[in-house]
Amino acid sequence: AQSVTQLGSHVSVSEGALVLLRCNYSSSVPPYLFWYVQYPNQGLQLLLKYTSAATLVKGINGFEAEFKKSETSFHLTKPSAHMSDAAEYFCAVSEGSQGGKLIFGQGTELSVKP
Amino acid sequence: DAGVIQSPRHEVTEMGQEVTLRCKPISGHNSLFWYRQTMMRGLELLIYFNNNVPIDDSGMPEDRFSAKMPNASFSTLKIQPSEPRDSAVYFCASSPGTSGGGLFFGEGSRLTVL
Repeated sequence: AQSVTQLGSHVSVSEGALVLLRCNYSSSVPPYLFWYVQYPNQGLQLLLKYTSAATLVKGINGFEAEFKKSETSFHLTKPSAHMSDAAEYFCAVSEGSQGGKLIFGQGTELSVKP
Repeated sequence: DAGVIQSPRHEVTEMGQEVTLRCKPISGHNSLFWYRQTMMRGLELLIYFNNNVPIDDSGMPEDRFSAKMPNASFSTLKIQPSEPRDSAVYFCASSPGTSGGGLFFGEGSRLTVL
């Protein structure tokens, strides 16, 4: 069965610093992987997705993630944090069943200090 | 393009009252998901439909909750009778239905049961 583990429920960085949000997955089939962002009082918005085309995936707002099969990881990075990046981030893996159901991690709250 | 549309955005009701939340998925998407989000339990999948047919309702907390999808462009989530512990943000999401398609979320309906 597919599952996702996000390491760290809270991450705090300084403005301009590297952002690294960790995600490890478990999947019995080649996975499709996703990162979503949720700003306060809003729905989840797709940041980027891996669908086996390229291992380094670029998303919106300067974020990118690298699929590493050997490490079963899909960590999210951004070279330089902005105050506007403060939000909750969710990693997800496709269950692979009918309908496109996703299995979500517990989320990581990112704080950005001035 | 219109995204997923949910109504109402906010609902305050008294315990015992019936609550109906509504969702219009993205046109052409054939899967629809209802999620509940709370601080304590995070993001929980309640039920999802594929081609208007319920596929998995194992997340529906109890018989007080019911969901319908009478056609491809409309779904409802009903709680009857409502209880204070049902207070949460309820999200609707739609998907093209393929494993790599991802989910597209609405803005959510914030329910407060007094």
